[in-house]
Amino acid sequence: GAVVSQHPSWVICKSGTSVKIECRSLDFQATTMFWYRQFPKQSLMLMATSNEGSKATYEQGVEKDKFLINHASLTLSTLTVTSAHPEDSSFYICSADRNRDRQETQYFGPGTRLLVL
Amino acid sequence: SQKIEQNSEALNIQEGKTATLTCNYTNYSPAYLQWYRQDPGRGPVFLLLIRENEKEKRKERLKVTFDTTLKQSLFHITASQPADSATYLCALGGLYSSASKIIFGSGTRLSIRP
Repeated sequence: GAVVSQHPSWVICKSGTSVKIECRSLDFQATTMFWYRQFPKQSLMLMATSNEGSKATYEQGVEKDKFLINHASLTLSTLTVTSAHPEDSSFYICSADRNRDRQETQYFGPGTRLLVL
Repeated sequence: SQKIEQNSEALNIQEGKTATLTCNYTNYSPAYLQWYRQDPGRGPVFLLLIRENEKEKRKERLKVTFDTTLKQSLFHITASQPADSATYLCALGGLYSSASKIIFGSGTRLSIRP
């Protein structure tokens, strides 16, 4: 159990276009999901916390108007990279919080590799 | 400033030996600490969680210690195997109002040679 999926797994787009990435918890409900970005050979950097039914909380330095997050249901959060530029090329990973039995465990999706040309 | 450092960007050891990875943090007071495994091009996979009031946790060949005085966690893999080769990440949690929000360390790339 505790499977998280992401779609698409990879995407190539032209500079200036917008890209939407979906994160789904397949067998559990997640009131909280997190979005991370990871550059090559670096660790995961938290971008924002997504709460179902409310606005996302963004980390310092992350532009909320550029990275739009929608958490419309207990199993789905979306990240839209608006007007993408080459510097937005990265590995985007989501996670879902399955806070059960006091185990503050996040389950991570497989990631989405974005390449902006 | 706040930092989470995993000493040794890369660690290379012989199969069968015990691999020991370190995670040191500065200016944080985590309620718990987690270790994850990440393979290239994949998302992290949760391994172990240890709370601030626990000294040691074990799971099969894995052992984690947590010293809140030293602000350090050690992660051990005993009888290491080539399949254990991956990047291992520590993460601090319980720092914010969102209990499950975590901050990752820089990671250690572990290579187990046959």
